[in-house]
Amino acid sequence: DAKTTQPTSMDCAEGRAANLPCNHSTISGNEYVYWYRQIHSQGPQYIIHGLKNNETNEMASLIITEDRKSSTLILPHATLRDTAVYYCIVRVTYGGATNTLIFGTGTLLAVQP
Amino acid sequence: GAVVSQHPSWVICKSGTSVKIECRSLDFQATTMFWYRQFPKQSLMLMATSNEGSKATYEQGVEKDKFLINHASLTLSTLTVTSAHPEDSSFYICSARVAGINTEAFFGQGTRLTVV
Repeated sequence: DAKTTQPTSMDCAEGRAANLPCNHSTISGNEYVYWYRQIHSQGPQYIIHGLKNNETNEMASLIITEDRKSSTLILPHATLRDTAVYYCIVRVTYGGATNTLIFGTGTLLAVQP
Repeated sequence: GAVVSQHPSWVICKSGTSVKIECRSLDFQATTMFWYRQFPKQSLMLMATSNEGSKATYEQGVEKDKFLINHASLTLSTLTVTSAHPEDSSFYICSARVAGINTEAFFGQGTRLTVV
């Protein structure tokens, strides 16, 4: 799977949008971009994923550049409970279920009151 | 999303004893489950991939005789840490996915193991 690069940490003011970048310059055509987050001492939580189109769900939006070499996760109105480590992962998806998620170091997002 | 439950949430055991951690998919059938380990201030490290009814596939450097994985049904996988030592103290997390194209993985809440 392609390697991703994320900033180590970011701050965001409560109520403002949090924009978390991720570089995946070696991504191949059949690799998806997944985002998970991990609140302290809990298991990771799925947020969103996409291939090349922008995606939005109730938690966040995912913006993928046209060349697919980078993406941005957007939390539209960050709250204190969004403080967590955010992981950007690229993964090939075949028809089976054996593909693994390999976690990098992620970005620690600290939402400030 | 789907629910994956781990038990226990935390456990303290004596050095030399064995500890079993359960991972259950509560509302879906998981043909594949994954076990991760996470040390303080580090990211998750994949230990093994567990397929129902077959032997687990271990990542390089993970001792299969020390970390026994059993995936006897489509909703249950267990990880047994045998002859635990203090260096095995860690946060163990399981994950499960449904078979199919482009399905996301769901994670348990993790098990904090402390070996004294």
